[in-house]
Amino acid sequence: AQKVTQAQTEISVVEKEDVTLDCVYETRDTTYYLFWYKQPPSGELVFLIRRNSFDEQNEISGRYSWNFQKSTSSFNFTITASQVVDSAVYFCALSGPYSSASKIIFGSGTRLSIRP
Amino acid sequence: SQTIHQWPATLVQPVGSPLSLECTVEGTSNPNLYWYRQAAGRGLQLLFYSVGIGQISSEVPQNLSASRPQDRQFILSSKKLLLSDSGFYLCAWSPNRGNHNEKLFFGSGTQLSVL
Repeated sequence: AQKVTQAQTEISVVEKEDVTLDCVYETRDTTYYLFWYKQPPSGELVFLIRRNSFDEQNEISGRYSWNFQKSTSSFNFTITASQVVDSAVYFCALSGPYSSASKIIFGSGTRLSIRP
Repeated sequence: SQTIHQWPATLVQPVGSPLSLECTVEGTSNPNLYWYRQAAGRGLQLLFYSVGIGQISSEVPQNLSASRPQDRQFILSSKKLLLSDSGFYLCAWSPNRGNHNEKLFFGSGTQLSVL
C-alpha cells in the first residue's frame, strides 16, 4: 500500500530563517512520482514540483530546493531565507506507475508560519 | 490557457438537506476530474474521479455521489447531508493521458459546514 507521512504538523520560524519540511513515503512500486503542493490561505492548492523515482538529482528553484533520497524514502523540501509569503500548508504527495489504476495520494500536510 | 471554476465558495447547510457542488474546466478537453475533501487539520482525501463523461469511480464509501454530465463539468452531490460531511471540498483536473500521475490543477474550494 502507498502512504505519505508528514510528521511535522506545524512549523513556525522567523522570517529569513531556513526551514525544511519532511516527507517520508512508502510504496512497493519501483516506478513512482512524488509531488509537493502549496496551499496558501486562499485555499487553492498550487503545484510546486513533480519528480519521478528514477531522477534522484536534487532540484533548486530560487529559494526552494528538494532533496530526494530513495535510500531513506524521503523527499524533503527546504525554503531558504523564508518570507512571510511562504506561510501556507504544504502537502507532499505520491502516485504509482504510469497506469490508469494509480492515483495521487496526499500526506496530511505541514502548516508553515513565517513570523516577521 | 486552462482554468477551473468551483462554486459556491462557502456553504452552510442543515443536516438532512441536499447538496450540489459544481466544478467546470475551461481551455482543455477530456480532462481527468477529481473531487477531494480536506477535513479540518487533515490531509486531502480522494473521493471521486472521472476519466470521461458518465464515468465515475468512488474511492471511499460515503454519503456522497458524483456525476459528470458533460466533458468539463463535475458535480458532487448528496441527498441528505450528515454532520460528518463538513469540510473543505476541492475539485481538480489533470490532462488525460491514460494515467493519474500528471500534476493536478485545483479549484479554489468550497467550505461546507453542516449544522
